[in-house]
Amino acid sequence: GAVVSQHPSWVICKSGTSVKIECRSLDFQATTMFWYRQFPKQSLMLMATSNEGSKATYEQGVEKDKFLINHASLTLSTLTVTSAHPEDSSFYICSARYSVLYEQYFGPGTRLTVT
Amino acid sequence: QKEVEQNSGPLSVPEGAIASLNCTYSDRVSQSFFWYRQYSGKSPELIMSIYSNGDKEDGRFTAQLNKASQYVSLLIRDSQPSDSATYLCAVLSMDSNYQLIWGAGTKLIIKP
Repeated sequence: GAVVSQHPSWVICKSGTSVKIECRSLDFQATTMFWYRQFPKQSLMLMATSNEGSKATYEQGVEKDKFLINHASLTLSTLTVTSAHPEDSSFYICSARYSVLYEQYFGPGTRLTVT
Repeated sequence: QKEVEQNSGPLSVPEGAIASLNCTYSDRVSQSFFWYRQYSGKSPELIMSIYSNGDKEDGRFTAQLNKASQYVSLLIRDSQPSDSATYLCAVLSMDSNYQLIWGAGTKLIIKP
């Protein structure tokens, strides 16, 4: 149980275009999902917390107009990187909170390359 | 500023030995603690959670929690080369949204 999927697993896009990443909890309902970014050999960095039916809460320094998060249902959250630039190239990982014990399960991640 | 600290390593352990990974945290009111394993280029995988003082065992893994000392550890018995990964300690913040506060991770290398 507690499986989280993420799509696409990798994407290459041109500078200035937008990319949407989907995160789904497959066998449980997740009222809260999280979006992380990780650069090579660096720690996980929380970008935003997404609660179903409400606006996402962004961490300091993360541009909410650039990283659009939608959590429209208990099983789906999306992250859209708008007007992507090469510096946005990174490994984006979502996670979903599984239970009242606050365990988080991660999706497999999306590797974004902006050319 | 709530912090979770881990030795970055690398920690090198011979195959078959016990690997011991340590983590300290600053928030005294934290109640939930997690160990994740992350292979290079992959996302983190939850391997242990612990909520009470003492030991919790799951197969070759044992998590140990000492809230008085604000200390969490993970023991891996009979270490295998497949255990080579970065191990992340995470502590649940009791602030709004109940986020996980992450350590930077310890890189573990199991030598055959």
